[in-house]
Amino acid sequence: DARVTQTPRHKVTEMGQEVTMRCQPILGHNTVFWYRQTMMQGLELLAYFRNRAPLDDSGMPKDRFSAEMPDATLATLKIQPSEPRDSAVYFCASGSVGAGRTYEQYFGPGTRLTVT
Amino acid sequence: RKEVEQDPGPFNVPEGATVAFNCTYSNSASQSFFWYRQDCRKEPKLLMSVYSSGNEDGRFTAQLNRASQYISLLIRDSKLSDSATYLCVVNMFDTGRRALTFGSGTRLQVQP
Repeated sequence: DARVTQTPRHKVTEMGQEVTMRCQPILGHNTVFWYRQTMMQGLELLAYFRNRAPLDDSGMPKDRFSAEMPDATLATLKIQPSEPRDSAVYFCASGSVGAGRTYEQYFGPGTRLTVT
Repeated sequence: RKEVEQDPGPFNVPEGATVAFNCTYSNSASQSFFWYRQDCRKEPKLLMSVYSSGNEDGRFTAQLNRASQYISLLIRDSKLSDSATYLCVVNMFDTGRRALTFGSGTRLQVQP
């Protein structure tokens, strides 16, 4: 049963520290999404990639967030420096998109980030 | 107006009841639609895609009304295990940020 994996599952850090979250998409999927979920804002799209190329990262605060896909099996989301308002659950999702296909997305278990 | 709107609920229903949720979307060019289910402190999970002709999966039926720009989810014979938040997703193919929009979810609580 193929799944999206994310590490770490939980992260507690102090304000100003760098945080790196990792995601392994389902093998064969060509699209990867990063979301953030809070009680107040719900599920927000931060960035997404197709075939490892960034298609849209307009949802990310550019000064502190960065997302990359160094290879097809790894996506990273980095926050530097972290702030308390970044505390949230960060989900990675992957999907397969081609001509005529739709965005069915499969989510990882999330990284629960707390910045103190 | 939000791009995707859902009644947050909660919908409190007894076991065995039939319950329906609606989700409205603002972009008439939206092309694909889904329902996801999210349990407390878990990730969203794909429940079903929504096709123009409507589709059914067991106790779940999804409908799309393009003229009125809404999708619906009907749950028949509800079970305690159906208690969750139901998210609708409206996608416009390949147009950047607006392509992937989740509603804020409708919470369902099925009671014994």
